[in-house]
Amino acid sequence: DIVLTQSPALAVSLGQRATISCRASQSVSISRYNLMHWYQQKPGQQPKLLIYRASNLASGIPARFSGSGSGTDFTLTINPVQADDIATYYCQQSRESPPTFGAGTKLELK
Amino acid sequence: EVQLVESGEGLVQPGSSMKLSCVASGFTFSNYGMNWIRQAPKKGLEWIALIYYDSSSKYYADSVKGRFTISRDNSKNTLYLEMNSLRSEDTAMYYCAKGVYSSYTGYFDFWGPGTMVTVSS
Repeated sequence: DIVLTQSPALAVSLGQRATISCRASQSVSISRYNLMHWYQQKPGQQPKLLIYRASNLASGIPARFSGSGSGTDFTLTINPVQADDIATYYCQQSRESPPTFGAGTKLELK
Repeated sequence: EVQLVESGEGLVQPGSSMKLSCVASGFTFSNYGMNWIRQAPKKGLEWIALIYYDSSSKYYADSVKGRFTISRDNSKNTLYLEMNSLRSEDTAMYYCAKGVYSSYTGYFDFWGPGTMVTVSS
């Protein structure tokens, strides 16, 4: 299975930029498609799709969220961070079955 | 508006069985692959099963293969997960999640609020 590695936590100040990384144990890109996706999960809620195929914003997601990366290294950026963004963020790959998730990065206020 | 609502929450003993349901609305259910994804308390997300739009293929995580069965009834817009030989490590919140394709897993664009399964004696 493809293993996705995320830092456990990131502390940021409101109004600043947050950069959350996800590293895959092998490439999750095929041709021009980068098969990495990002979800936000707030306490007591289900995950919500933020970014699909590395850089595409899901419907209804604010433009302060963006994604980048290819191959094995991917980044989710939130700029500027707002209070409503405090949550845990998960990356997920669909390059190979089974689809796997990172362990999550908890975004905290500094 | 897409809605997924799971049911079947409960406390069961190890070795017993349980069936979860997920009723879908707001989209053409019969066009999409559907998934079950679980999250143990204070842990991350684990995909456990996929069923194609027409039930022609089903895939499972190794952790549940041979014990869990995913199924669907397109006439009722309902997804199911039958769980047998339950273990304490199956204790988790179980989410129903819509795939973006009819078959291949891809990513999950809508999730239900989840239903909690606790396996304990």
